[in-house]
Amino acid sequence: DAGITQSPRHKVTETGTPVTLRCHQTENHRYMYWYRQDPGHGLRLIHYSYGVKDTDKGEVSDGYSVSRSKTEDFLLTLESATSSQTSVYFCAISESWTSGSYQQYFGPGTRLTVT
Amino acid sequence: AQSVTQPDIHITVSEGASLELRCNYSYGATPYLFWYVQSPGQGLQLLLKYFSGDTLVQGIKGFEAEFKRSQSSFNLRKPSVHWSDAAEYFCAVGGSNNAGNMLTFGGGTRLMVKP
Repeated sequence: DAGITQSPRHKVTETGTPVTLRCHQTENHRYMYWYRQDPGHGLRLIHYSYGVKDTDKGEVSDGYSVSRSKTEDFLLTLESATSSQTSVYFCAISESWTSGSYQQYFGPGTRLTVT
Repeated sequence: AQSVTQPDIHITVSEGASLELRCNYSYGATPYLFWYVQSPGQGLQLLLKYFSGDTLVQGIKGFEAEFKRSQSSFNLRKPSVHWSDAAEYFCAVGGSNNAGNMLTFGGGTRLMVKP
């Protein structure tokens, strides 16, 4: 299994509070991703990173920000949590597809509940 | 824009029966196609992937998938289902013109296995 950890694994927070989720990898992969998983929607991309300090928005980025100050860590911040952000959040990593790997590896997920 | 449709939200099969899960994609260039499986409370595990070559791809756990460009499909099959195959299955598409190595996921198909 790829070395990906997410913390915390479970969190309950109140509406309006900031929340930061952490993804840590030991694979030295260039690309890192944050997805949210909701019933019927599969996984939707929030933000991704293609290198240290290099990030871009995904499909559902409103209300989220990210930072990557080191290759191994990718942080997702909910600036002011809302109930619509209750979800399961997955981090993923990948090498450049020019390396021939052609896949993403997923972390175990973080279940976030906003009350 | 790229998209993936999994027409079947739920499928129930008897143990030992054959299985086919449908996936249709839309992508403007050469697609890279993936099937992932998610057991309850777990992250996503790659079953198989297609990026070029033989259109019939073999994966782990006895699964296979066939890429049909003319039908924009990448259906997943297994000749004999085991109770441990009960899980949610996700089809995803990415591709060679995708600078961020991003994947777009379908909404998922939940497989239930009857004894």
